[in-house]
Amino acid sequence: AQSVTQLGSHVSVSEGALVLLRCNYSSSVPPYLFWYVQYPNQGLQLLLKYTSAATLVKGINGFEAEFKKSETSFHLTKPSAHMSDAAEYFCAVIKGGGSNYKLTFGKGTLLTVNP
Amino acid sequence: SQTIHQWPATLVQPVGSPLSLECTVEGTSNPNLYWYRQAAGRGLQLLFYSVGIGQISSEVPQNLSASRPQDRQFILSSKKLLLSDSGFYLCAWSNHMELGDEQYFGPGTRLTVT
Repeated sequence: AQSVTQLGSHVSVSEGALVLLRCNYSSSVPPYLFWYVQYPNQGLQLLLKYTSAATLVKGINGFEAEFKKSETSFHLTKPSAHMSDAAEYFCAVIKGGGSNYKLTFGKGTLLTVNP
Repeated sequence: SQTIHQWPATLVQPVGSPLSLECTVEGTSNPNLYWYRQAAGRGLQLLFYSVGIGQISSEVPQNLSASRPQDRQFILSSKKLLLSDSGFYLCAWSNHMELGDEQYFGPGTRLTVT
């Protein structure tokens, strides 16, 4: 069954530092993987997605993620954190079959950016 | 372009009162529709999803129900709210998940049951 695990419920970085948010997946078939961001009291916004094309996926706001099959990982990175990146980030995988495809989310990682 | 609306944005209701949250989508037809709940520190929990009018699938047994009276309208209801129903409720839509389509989320409704 497809699932994702986000390592670290809270990550804190300094402004300008590298952001690394970890996500590992479990899937018996090539997965479709997503990263979403949620700002306080708002809905989720798609950052990027992997759909079996290029393994390095570039998203919005300078984020990117690399699909590594050998490590079953899809970690999210950004070279230089900005104060506006402070939010909660969710990794997700499509699971299901027939007409019952659904997104399964990780528990989320709260990113704080210190000045 | 497609947009998704939810209302109300915030709601404070006493225990035992009824609930009706509404979600509508514009700019697409026959979308898949979803209701999620976020409780503090617990991530996103899928409550219901619908692949068409009148077709509702429930993910977890609970005090809530969902209906889809029109193609682009999805309603979350309860006859009697519990304290544990408090949370942030998100509606989402998608095209064909099996093709790797993403879900698009509404702005959410903050429900506090007192």
